[in-house]
Amino acid sequence: EFVLTQSPGTLSLSPGERATLSCRASQSINSRSLAWYQQKPGQAPRLLIYGASNRAAGTPDRFSGSGSGTDFTLTISRLEPEDFAVYYCQQSGVPPQWTFGQGTKVEIK
Amino acid sequence: QEYLVESGGGVVQPGGSLTLSCAASGFTFRTSGMHWVRQAPGQGLQWLAFIQYDDSNKFYVDSVKGRFTISRDNSRNTLYLQMSSLRVEDTAVYYCAKVLRGTGPLDLWGQGTQVTVSS
Repeated sequence: EFVLTQSPGTLSLSPGERATLSCRASQSINSRSLAWYQQKPGQAPRLLIYGASNRAAGTPDRFSGSGSGTDFTLTISRLEPEDFAVYYCQQSGVPPQWTFGQGTKVEIK
Repeated sequence: QEYLVESGGGVVQPGGSLTLSCAASGFTFRTSGMHWVRQAPGQGLQWLAFIQYDDSNKFYVDSVKGRFTISRDNSRNTLYLQMSSLRVEDTAVYYCAKVLRGTGPLDLWGQGTQVTVSS
């Protein structure tokens, strides 16, 4: 069974700090199929990054994605107040698996 | 402006059925693959089902195979999810989402519709 494991579960940081979120796949995947989403309370998820490192339309450039094989990273260079949310990684583009990670919550310290 | 609007959620008894709809506007629905994703209370996202733009392929997560059916009507720009034999653990917010291209990432999401399975 294919699994995406995100760490940490919760990240407590202050505005202006750098956030580094990890997503590890149980087996190697094509980096083109790795996406990151942001979800705020009471809202639908929003696509941030696709193909591991491509910013989606409207994604600020303080968000960047990297990685390959089984290890992927989402970095927020300087946290803005609106960035405190839950972030999910997902494998997309490889039927029939569109698995999500369990999420990382970025909270205000 | 691109939109997806889900409807059809509600309260249903265990073993019951419900059909969700997702109305699309602002983009070419007939050329877009579509997904259903759900989120149980306080939990993460769970992918449920995908349908290709031309209805040529459908895929489901194991836990809903045989109980849920994804379909679409390209003439009405509408996606559907027929749910039967509902269980308490199917209680969740159900989202429809559009694929950016091919079978890739989900770049447009609806606001979600709540399904509660309870006696």
